Amino acid sequence: DAKTTQPTSMDCAEGRAANLPCNHSTISGNEYVYWYRQIHSQGPQYIIHGLKNNETNEMASLIITEDRKSSTLILPHATLRDTAVYYCIVRGLGSNYKLTFGKGTLLTVNP
Amino acid sequence: NAGVTQTPKFQVLKTGQSMTLQCAQDMNHEYMSWYRQDPGMGLRLIHYSVGAGITDQGEVPNGYNVSRSTTEDFPLRLLSAAPSQTSVYFCASSYSWLAGGPGNEQFFGPGTRLTVL
Repeated sequence: DAKTTQPTSMDCAEGRAANLPCNHSTISGNEYVYWYRQIHSQGPQYIIHGLKNNETNEMASLIITEDRKSSTLILPHATLRDTAVYYCIVRGLGSNYKLTFGKGTLLTVNP
Repeated sequence: NAGVTQTPKFQVLKTGQSMTLQCAQDMNHEYMSWYRQDPGMGLRLIHYSVGAGITDQGEVPNGYNVSRSTTEDFPLRLLSAAPSQTSVYFCASSYSWLAGGPGNEQFFGPGTRLTVL
């Protein structure tokens, strides 16, 4: 699976959009980009995933660049409850059975 | 739906003791897995199952056993606890294990915090 690179930490003001970047320059054509988050002391929570098109659900939007080498998770109106570690994961047919979690980005939403 | 449940929430063991961490899901998911999370190391896959009666090893299976006699339950057994097994253990499930396919998003339980003295 392709490796991912994320900033260690980010801050965001409550009510503003949080844009979390992820670099996955070695991603292959059949690998998906997944985002999970982990609020302190809780189990990880699925957010969204995509292959090459932008995706949106009730939690967030995922923007994948045309060359697929990077992506951005957007939380449109961040709240204090969005403070968490956000994991960008690349997953393909070779990793059907597991999620490989890196260190993620600690997003702190400030009042 | 209760989702994925895990018991106990906390456990303290002495070196050499054995115990079973329980995991259950009520979503009729075929795929279930166990991860451990250590500080600074992210989550690592211990064992997984793609259906009742089928299990396989993940990245760090040594010292752990699993079985899957029903779709709902996937217990993790520590055979002889060691201090290196002090960790937070998460169980996860999903409808499908196929990357990118429908129903492949994994649901995680609240975790079991295990300390081995």
